[in-house]
Order: sequence, then C-alpha cells, then structure tokens
Amino acid sequence: DQQVKQNSPSLSVQEGRISILNCDYTNSMFDYFLWYKKYPAEGPTFLISISSIKDKNEDGRFTVFLNKSAKHLSLHIVPSQPGDSAVYFCAASDYFGGKLIFGQGTELSVKP
Amino acid sequence: KAGVTQTPRYLIKTRGQQVTLSCSPISGHRSVSWYQQTPGQGLQFLFEYFSETQRNKGNFPGRFSGRQFSNSRSEMNVSTLELGDSALYLCASSVRRALGIGNTEAFFGQGTRLTVV
Repeated sequence: DQQVKQNSPSLSVQEGRISILNCDYTNSMFDYFLWYKKYPAEGPTFLISISSIKDKNEDGRFTVFLNKSAKHLSLHIVPSQPGDSAVYFCAASDYFGGKLIFGQGTELSVKP
Repeated sequence: KAGVTQTPRYLIKTRGQQVTLSCSPISGHRSVSWYQQTPGQGLQFLFEYFSETQRNKGNFPGRFSGRQFSNSRSEMNVSTLELGDSALYLCASSVRRALGIGNTEAFFGQGTRLTVV
C-alpha cells in the first residue's frame, strides 16, 4: 500500500519555463509534507516543506501547493534551470513526526 | 555548521557477515532517522532515535538494529547480511522540539553504499 505516490516517473522541461511536479497521498493523518532533490549515490537535499495548516509556501524559485481535500501537493519551479535536473521526491509525515514516507520520485530534466 | 556525516561512504561485505554504519547528526539535532534506498523499493524508513530512545520503527526484519548515543551520534547494524541488503543507507537528522510533538525538516547525509556479495 503506497501512501505517497508520484505518478510521473519523468518530466522534461525547457530552460526558463515552469516545472510542475505532482504528488498524491492517501493517509489523512499526514500533516507535514516535504520536497527533496536527489542526485544518484547522494543523499536527498531538502528543498521546501509545508504544514497542513497552509495551502502554499514559497522559497525563491520554489513554491509548494497543498490541496488537502484532494490529498494532492505540487512543487512549482520557476524559472527552471539546467542545474535543477535531478530526481525529486515528495515525502509526508504525521503529527508525531520522525518518520517520512516517500514517493517513488520524478526525474526532472531541464533542457537548455 | 557541518552537515550530517555518514561513514563509511562505501562498503563491500560478504553474505552472512554483519555491518555497522555510523551517522553524526547536525550539531544540536536530537533526532536521527535511517532510511534504505533500493531501485525496487525506493526510500524506506528503517527507524528513528530521539534522545537515545527508538521512537519509530519501519517494517524491516530484526536483523536491522540501531542505537543512539548521548551525543546524538547514531549507528545502525545489519547482521547476517543477505544479497538483498545491498542498498544506499541514508541517515537524516532533525530538530525535534519535544518528544512526540511536531515536525521539522530532516537533513540527510551523503549515505553509505553497501554492497553484499
């Protein structure tokens, strides 16, 4: 039973355009969500997070949107840069924290 | 501030052996969690330690164990290694405001690549 799903294994975007990565979850107890960027054989790098009491959080080029009724979140990267090319994971945690449930990841390719 | 440090970075072991991996969290972080990444299963939670106590445990066999020391450094141990234990093992640290309450960002180390032959 996969509680966090990233249904798109890959996404290709032109440099300068918007990248939108999607994530769905099934567990209504999740109340904290995070996005990570990962290169092969390295640890994930934290990008941005959002609590369930918010529906949007921004940090520079990165914005995360949360739709609790749809159990859906998305990461927007504007403008996309070639250096953004990596695998992006969304993760979720319940109120008590300490345990992250990860999606399967989406590989983003930003072409010059 | 130094990040999360994992040692060793690479390890090759033989089936049946045991292995110990080490993790030093970011200074001031009291929570350390461990994850296994494999191509087939993705990133899966192993366990979390907070103030030397195991707070959460994932769905892994008892061959996987861990501990945390008073300085928040953590080790995980895998006994009787199997070929399927070959994976990238990741450690993450976070600030936990109080035991059992709330969420904060988790920061990951570079991982230990374990190969079982």
